[in-house]
Amino acid sequence: NAGVTQTPKFQVLKTGQSMTLQCAQDMNHEYMSWYRQDPGMGLRLIHYSVGAGITDQGEVPNGYNVSRSTTEDFPLRLLSAAPSQTSVYFCASRQTGFNSPLHFGNGTRLTVT
Amino acid sequence: RKEVEQDPGPFNVPEGATVAFNCTYSNSASQSFFWYRQDCRKEPKLLMSVYSSGNEDGRFTAQLNRASQYISLLIRDSKLSDSATYLCVVSGTGNQFYFGTGTSLTVIP
Repeated sequence: NAGVTQTPKFQVLKTGQSMTLQCAQDMNHEYMSWYRQDPGMGLRLIHYSVGAGITDQGEVPNGYNVSRSTTEDFPLRLLSAAPSQTSVYFCASRQTGFNSPLHFGNGTRLTVT
Repeated sequence: RKEVEQDPGPFNVPEGATVAFNCTYSNSASQSFFWYRQDCRKEPKLLMSVYSSGNEDGRFTAQLNRASQYISLLIRDSKLSDSATYLCVVSGTGNQFYFGTGTSLTVIP
């Protein structure tokens, strides 16, 4: 059971480049989400989805797009990378329902120069 | 005001010590509460859920105080392997979860 799988683990981009961070889960979770983690800021929600075809914005959505065409996959797109997007990105999924915890992928470390 | 606030520490304690972390939250309607552990440069991993009546898992005890809007984590008989950052997580409105900034613990031999 792989859980939540993120690729790539590391990425360096130049300002203005675009890229897609991949996230897949094999636990049949309806809920999937993307967080970024910056020093002293904690994890902040970028976008989330409660099922295929449904997405919504979190706390810090600007500069990012998502789509959810299948239950398993929830890619995060950076449209035009900026140095402020240098961060560690985590994908997380959970079962819907009270008190279901988040399960995290192992993260993508992104540097934008 | 932040949704969730934690004392960042660091907490440096000797092996065998008891240490407690608190976390306050601002949304009185929050329903779900968790403690996660995060090792350096790794993903957060669930340590335990926090239930209204309090709950224990081995050396770890979690408590919820709804009246004062805080959750706590008590670690007894600290081990070197407990060294990590501990994150409290609180559900918000809709499907959002809010994370504290984490409390750093180092257990010293």
